[in-house]
Amino acid sequence: DAGITQSPRYKITETGRQVTLMCHQTWSHSYMFWYRQDLGHGLRLIYYSAAADITDKGEVPDGYVVSRSKTENFPLTLESATRSQTSVYFCASTGGYNEKLFFGSGTQLSVL
Amino acid sequence: QQPVQSPQAVILREGEDAVINCSSSKALYSVHWYRQKHGEAPVFLMILLKGGEQKGHEKISASFNEKKQQSSLYLTASQLSYSGTYFCGTEGKTGANNLFFGTGTRLTVIP
Repeated sequence: DAGITQSPRYKITETGRQVTLMCHQTWSHSYMFWYRQDLGHGLRLIYYSAAADITDKGEVPDGYVVSRSKTENFPLTLESATRSQTSVYFCASTGGYNEKLFFGSGTQLSVL
Repeated sequence: QQPVQSPQAVILREGEDAVINCSSSKALYSVHWYRQKHGEAPVFLMILLKGGEQKGHEKISASFNEKKQQSSLYLTASQLSYSGTYFCGTEGKTGANNLFFGTGTRLTVIP
């Protein structure tokens, strides 16, 4: 199906391990985003990208790395996972400035 | 830089009205509103742009006062389906087309 998909849906990992969360969209949207959602904090922006090879930090970028070699993919990597990175991660995309965001279904990540 | 939402939670009976407020410490050019049901992704409701316009979506409408750096979401004659967490989003970095969201307002509609 067309749209925005995230994988995996659930992930359990251990502290210190590297983990990559995948995000793929089929609309050729220019803008893509990564958010984390934690109780009491709402949705916080980790990184965003305005186009292929253009990325920028959001509110909480420490401990995360992103890349965007192709317009449709925007993977998020935790280079050395910590317990504080246990969260639900949402990827989103939009086609233009001040247009609505489309969210993926989310990845629930647990770091033990 | 996150916008501030109030109240944090509200419980309504079907048919009652509610107002959710969103305010920012920085100048606003637009405000987005999203609703998230438990275990699901946020879903877009509406965008309000600079100019103070009020928009509507069924019985859900919103206003935007850029001078006061505030937006309000109005839910009238609430239905059970309105239950969820409502988020407002404002531009985090001017011109960057990113969104910083508030911490959310949990709305529960009971029969």
